[in-house]
Amino acid sequence: SQQGEEDPQALSIQEGENATMNCSYKTSINNLQWYRQNSGRGLVHLILIRSNEREKHSGRLRVTLDTSKKSSSLLITASRAADTASYFCATVWWNNNAGNMLTFGGGTRLMVKP
Amino acid sequence: KAGVTQTPRYLIKTRGQQVTLSCSPISGHRSVSWYQQTPGQGLQFLFEYFSETQRNKGNFPGRFSGRQFSNSRSEMNVSTLELGDSALYLCASSLAGQGKAFFGQGTRLTVV
Repeated sequence: SQQGEEDPQALSIQEGENATMNCSYKTSINNLQWYRQNSGRGLVHLILIRSNEREKHSGRLRVTLDTSKKSSSLLITASRAADTASYFCATVWWNNNAGNMLTFGGGTRLMVKP
Repeated sequence: KAGVTQTPRYLIKTRGQQVTLSCSPISGHRSVSWYQQTPGQGLQFLFEYFSETQRNKGNFPGRFSGRQFSNSRSEMNVSTLELGDSALYLCASSLAGQGKAFFGQGTRLTVV
């Protein structure tokens, strides 16, 4: 089953605008990751934020994490048409089993119009 | 470095048949995970292999199985295919786990 919800499910903006996507999750986590998927292809890792971090930047991406609210947000600044894709958050949690299991949200479909 | 390679890219099978999908991870990566993606259920974890051992398993019936070879290449098998097994199957590799995962382009399975 999916970890949680992503909001909004779909977002349409003009090139140059900022895009914000939100992710909520249900369980404790060790880290939270964001991935991008172009039209039915493989996922590309964007950024990872650990549970003891509150904010992280990578180029035009800014991710925040609020573990008390079990939520994260992804901000893409100065969007480009090439940013059109689906964006997924994924959480990782392990106890004694150090396995690598990603639990995904439902995704946000972003369309950036030129 | 070559990325994660999945073969075949597309498959069409008939209900009741079985299918084997293959995944070659990035060189040096020991963890290989499999995911199923459908419009209705989204991305769901199938299983993870690390050093030829299944380390985690998702909530899928026993018809779904997998294995990992000594060179870290992995296969997943689905027996007695059902229409609902139609999906994009994604393989991901990582160094040891918990960190970023590198995904292949997926195998699109259609069951008719």
